[in-house]
Amino acid sequence: DAGVIQSPRHEVTEMGQEVTLRCKPISGHNSLFWYRQTMMRGLELLIYFNNNVPIDDSGMPEDRFSAKMPNASFSTLKIQPSEPRDSAVYFCASSARQGSPLHFGNGTRLTVT
Amino acid sequence: AQKVTQAQTEISVVEKEDVTLDCVYETRDTTYYLFWYKQPPSGELVFLIRRNSFDEQNEISGRYSWNFQKSTSSFNFTITASQVVDSAVYFCALIAGNTGKLIFGQGTTLQVKP
Repeated sequence: DAGVIQSPRHEVTEMGQEVTLRCKPISGHNSLFWYRQTMMRGLELLIYFNNNVPIDDSGMPEDRFSAKMPNASFSTLKIQPSEPRDSAVYFCASSARQGSPLHFGNGTRLTVT
Repeated sequence: AQKVTQAQTEISVVEKEDVTLDCVYETRDTTYYLFWYKQPPSGELVFLIRRNSFDEQNEISGRYSWNFQKSTSSFNFTITASQVVDSAVYFCALIAGNTGKLIFGQGTTLQVKP
């Protein structure tokens, strides 16, 4: 089975540009999560979806961040406009049901200059 | 509030030594799940184990073992006869109640020297 697939693996952009990160969860998984990892703050949950519906977006840092899940097999995390402090590794994860292990993608390393 | 604390920021051992990584959690929920993940230098997050709050039985998987004690709110991870390939950042994590949110500790960086 294919795992969680994220694209791109690396993204370098200039401050002010729009950035879109993509995620394909494991087929059959009902929950999808977006995390951000930085040295200073560790692994932070940004938002998670259950059955394509956003359940908790309290971790989204500000209005520049938005996430969508138009169907069970695709999600996006958008940053508009991007800022240097957004530089981090962004992970997508999915799980089969509540309490099940989360399976993570390989992450997108974002660098905003 | 839910919280996971990994007090050890970095641990360095010599190959073949045993090492224990500590994890203390906080939650008011009676139903919760505890996890350990490994993040090797390549950066991916690898699931190692899940325990639920109703099962305090310790578990062993090869050189890995886990000790879950509700009385001390701890879920410690021991690597026996460590190897260089065990060098990684190890995260303890918690899902409490019906939130569905996986909350991570700050991680412990383990360096195993040859």
